[in-house]
Amino acid sequence: DIQMTQSPSSLSASVGDRVTITCRASQSVSSSLNWYQQKPGKAPKVLIYAASSLQTGVPSRFSASGSGTDFTLTISALQPEDFATYFCQQSYRTPFTFGGGTRVEIK
Amino acid sequence: QVHLQESGPGLVKPSGTLSLTCTVSGDSISSTNWWNWVRQTPGKGLEWIGEIFHGGNTNYNPSLESRVTMSVDKSMNHFSLELTSVTAADTAVYFCARLGRGFDYWGQGTLVTVSS
Repeated sequence: DIQMTQSPSSLSASVGDRVTITCRASQSVSSSLNWYQQKPGKAPKVLIYAASSLQTGVPSRFSASGSGTDFTLTISALQPEDFATYFCQQSYRTPFTFGGGTRVEIK
Repeated sequence: QVHLQESGPGLVKPSGTLSLTCTVSGDSISSTNWWNWVRQTPGKGLEWIGEIFHGGNTNYNPSLESRVTMSVDKSMNHFSLELTSVTAADTAVYFCARLGRGFDYWGQGTLVTVSS
């Protein structure tokens, strides 16, 4: 299985801050990497697919980059509705696998 | 608007079979997408269970493969999950999801508890 490792596991930030989350794959997943946001009691919501493509309807303050094994999700200016948990997920090879998540909390 | 909805018992006895159905609206189960099951627990996080295509092709997580069966009912536009010989470790929120641009549509999730 391809292991996905996210860091940090949690962070505290203020509204307006720039936030960066990283995801590392145990082997290359090319650009088959997706990012999700999840709020308590809800299903994950896809933000970014294919490593850097913004899903329709997702605010442009979200961006992502990377390929191979190293990926980054950036929120350029954190908004109150962005406090949530973020996951990366590889869709390069089954079994599809998720990172452990990064909880973004209010400072 | 694509909508997925899980249904099934919320309580299953140990050694029993967990059975869930995901009803799809706004898209055809016979489209070019793969239809997936994912579960989530506080301890193990998000775990992919498997996927099915409308023709019946499946891919399962090897960690669960010996206990998992997925099926599609085109007439009802739904797909189903069966997980046999369940234990407390199978207690989780179960989601169905469409694999399009990532997992782009999800059901709301259903909590299944394994307990006597």
